[in-house]
Amino acid sequence: RKEVEQDPGPFNVPEGATVAFNCTYSNSASQSFFWYRQDCRKEPKLLMSVYSSGNEDGRFTAQLNRASQYISLLIRDSKLSDSATYLCVVGALGNQGGKLIFGQGTELSVKP
Amino acid sequence: DTGVSQDPRHKITKRGQNVTFRCDPISEHNRLYWYRQTLGQGPEFLTYFQNEAQLEKSRLLSDRFSAERPKGSFSTLEIQRTEQGDSAMYLCASSLGGRSPYEQYFGPGTRLTVT
Repeated sequence: RKEVEQDPGPFNVPEGATVAFNCTYSNSASQSFFWYRQDCRKEPKLLMSVYSSGNEDGRFTAQLNRASQYISLLIRDSKLSDSATYLCVVGALGNQGGKLIFGQGTELSVKP
Repeated sequence: DTGVSQDPRHKITKRGQNVTFRCDPISEHNRLYWYRQTLGQGPEFLTYFQNEAQLEKSRLLSDRFSAERPKGSFSTLEIQRTEQGDSAMYLCASSLGGRSPYEQYFGPGTRLTVT
């Protein structure tokens, strides 16, 4: 079983749609969670951290369910510029931390 | 540009050749990470340094791979006797460590093609 699993998509949605991505992680002791965005042939960039109480940044909402080991990202009113791959990421434990464990990514294509 | 830089951006090599990549982290960052990404997959951790000390190596890092960060600044990743399976994007990232080890900034990557 992979440590972080995501539906690879692709998700094809019209502009203005709401889209949700889900992710599960295998290590119940994990403490740090993130969503990264990666444009085609570019490096990953941190989109947002995910906090236990859930958090929002403009049109983006991230939620964490520790009991189900489940992380979600909701994008409201999607824009053409949101087209990218969204990577679910868990911070590995131990050895002073720092290692990131990535899911395979979910591809989003927003169409006019 | 004060971000993470990597050199070269692209490398095409023949099977069996050695290649070396360089990463220059953000100057005040004491942690430096190497990841590898193949098509359709997320990045996979290879190794990381705190200053010049290599703190962890993945099982993905076979004997043909070696990484160094001799003065705690830039880092090099060398692959000896390249194989076609080594073709991938090699990403470098840096962070401040301390309370924010996971807040990593990635470089543009070195795309390796082994023919």
